[in-house]
Amino acid sequence: GESVGLHLPTLSVQEGDNSIINCAYSNSASDYFIWYKQESGKGPQFIIDIRSNMDKRQGQRVTVLLNKTVKHLSLQIAATQPGDSAVYFCAEVSQTGANNLFFGTGTRLTVIP
Amino acid sequence: DSGVTQTPKHLITATGQRVTLRCSPRSGDLSVYWYQQSLDQGLQFLIQYYNGEERAKGNILERFSAQQFPDLHSELNLSSLELGDSALYFCASSVGAGGYEQYFGPGTRLTVT
Repeated sequence: GESVGLHLPTLSVQEGDNSIINCAYSNSASDYFIWYKQESGKGPQFIIDIRSNMDKRQGQRVTVLLNKTVKHLSLQIAATQPGDSAVYFCAEVSQTGANNLFFGTGTRLTVIP
Repeated sequence: DSGVTQTPKHLITATGQRVTLRCSPRSGDLSVYWYQQSLDQGLQFLIQYYNGEERAKGNILERFSAQQFPDLHSELNLSSLELGDSALYFCASSVGAGGYEQYFGPGTRLTVT
């Protein structure tokens, strides 16, 4: 079955620095990937997505990179702010099986003022 | 605010009991997904409904069931509750059936004592 994992469970960065959160996935048939942000006591919030026919997508202060060769996904946050402190999940959708999201355990990002 | 609503916000019950969690999707969304999030764990997909029909099934226990009504709201029924069922239960919705762009509700925190 699909599995999505994260390299680092925690990440601490200084305010203003760039953050990079990494994710590995195992299903080469996955065609859609999403990053979610979850703040304490809240539901996951959609940040950015990318389809498998792309290798980079940019949003506001965020960039997602997809390397299908090594089945690796990353989220880059520019000029990290205290409000970025949260748990970040990557998730994948595969159209070869059930069309649902498979989430990793998550990475806790802490921004140090 | 994602537009997805869930009730109740908190639920405390005893082992062996049965509870019903309710979800109203975003206006226009036809798919509803249910997820379970245990302490310090990622999100586990339980089940998906699309326009009233079960679309996909994940790691849902036989003691759990769900349905989606004609007005597209959904209920997740949890019976014969065990201590290990204590978790956050999230509902998400999307326009289509493919699992893309899911928007999550605030969750229901279930505590089984």
